[in-house]
Amino acid sequence: DAGITQSPRYKITETGRQVTLMCHQTWSHSYMFWYRQDLGHGLRLIYYSAAADITDKGEVPDGYVVSRSKTENFPLTLESATRSQTSVYFCASSEPGQPTGAEQFFGPGTRLTVL
Amino acid sequence: RKEVEQDPGPFNVPEGATVAFNCTYSNSASQSFFWYRQDCRKEPKLLMSVYSSGNEDGRFTAQLNRASQYISLLIRDSKLSDSATYLCVVNLITDSWGKLQFGAGTQVVVTP
Repeated sequence: DAGITQSPRYKITETGRQVTLMCHQTWSHSYMFWYRQDLGHGLRLIYYSAAADITDKGEVPDGYVVSRSKTENFPLTLESATRSQTSVYFCASSEPGQPTGAEQFFGPGTRLTVL
Repeated sequence: RKEVEQDPGPFNVPEGATVAFNCTYSNSASQSFFWYRQDCRKEPKLLMSVYSSGNEDGRFTAQLNRASQYISLLIRDSKLSDSATYLCVVNLITDSWGKLQFGAGTQVVVTP
């Protein structure tokens, strides 16, 4: 089906483990984003990507790594998970050609718990 | 100070009533403004863009006040299905292309 998907939807891991969250979109969107959402905070940008092989840091990048070898995939890796990374993670993409203020389409989210 | 601030609510609204709430933003260079809607434990979705002259989309009216740096959302004839969290979103185009600043959201609960 077309759209933006995330996997896994739920993940429980332990402190110190490496975790990778997957994001896949079937539109030809150039821009992709990773956000985290915590109570009392708005969505905070972790990393974003303007195209394959182009990534840049957002507001809260520490402890995270991203890659974008293919336009449709934008995985997020927690290199050594910490409890403070317990959160809901949303992936999003936006339409190419309308970069400024473009609507962002969000995936369903991944609920990550770090014990 | 947060870039985008919202009253978290909840705003408890009887069905059929009108509810309005604001959002303030700190950067006067902000260029684009939006309201997103987020249902419980779901992904945010664009509700409407906010234009300088104000705009309506059915029962929803959005206003922008650049002088006081706030945007507002008004919901008329509230429906039970309007219960959600409304996220105020601001885009600082001079900062980057598609980077959006999200408020923490205003919760609206419509009661029968």
